[in-house]
Amino acid sequence: GQNIDQPTEMTATEGAIVQINCTYQTSGFNGLFWYQQHAGEAPTFLSYNVLDGLEEKGRFSSFLSRSKGYSYLLLKELQMKDSASYLCAVSDSNYQLIWGAGTKLIIKP
Amino acid sequence: GAVVSQHPSRVICKSGTSVKIECRSLDFQATTMFWYRQFPKQSLMLMATSNEGSKATYEQGVEKDKFLINHASLTLSTLTVTSAHPEDSSFYICSAPRTPSGDYNEQFFGPGTRLTVL
Repeated sequence: GQNIDQPTEMTATEGAIVQINCTYQTSGFNGLFWYQQHAGEAPTFLSYNVLDGLEEKGRFSSFLSRSKGYSYLLLKELQMKDSASYLCAVSDSNYQLIWGAGTKLIIKP
Repeated sequence: GAVVSQHPSRVICKSGTSVKIECRSLDFQATTMFWYRQFPKQSLMLMATSNEGSKATYEQGVEKDKFLINHASLTLSTLTVTSAHPEDSSFYICSAPRTPSGDYNEQFFGPGTRLTVL
């Protein structure tokens, strides 16, 4: 079956760095997405990785290792507004998104 | 970025009534739209794929006669929850993929519809 695993919840301090991991097992691979979702709102796009390596976009970076079925989202200089759920999703061989359950990130002052 | 709207944002209805939710892509055409359901503290669950001009494709366990989908044009898909019951109360979200450069299909999400069935 297809499976996406990510931690349920993480806590970090304002100004610090946090890494959210995601491992996946899917039938085919056409890229991995990270989305941010604030409570009661729809997800918003953060990043896309299809090749191995690190993609940096401002305070957020995303890494992919296809051979390991592994990705992480790195958030630097954490701000209180970064408190949200972070969803990992993989596009499978049919370009259908398979979603992880999300990681709730709690930022403390 | 691309914009997807959803209407209504919030609806409360009595058990047994039907509710229609609209999803529109405002600045691009979407031959395909996705409908998701999200229960509290859970991830998005794909319900169905809406295809313009043809029948929707439903995920296993989703009743097609209960969740009617119509993709009437390249910018509009509707989801009708028929004979709604309290267990149908959830956050319904639509999304539409767009391929800005042909590299990948980024999905743009509507703001979601909070359905509460009394």
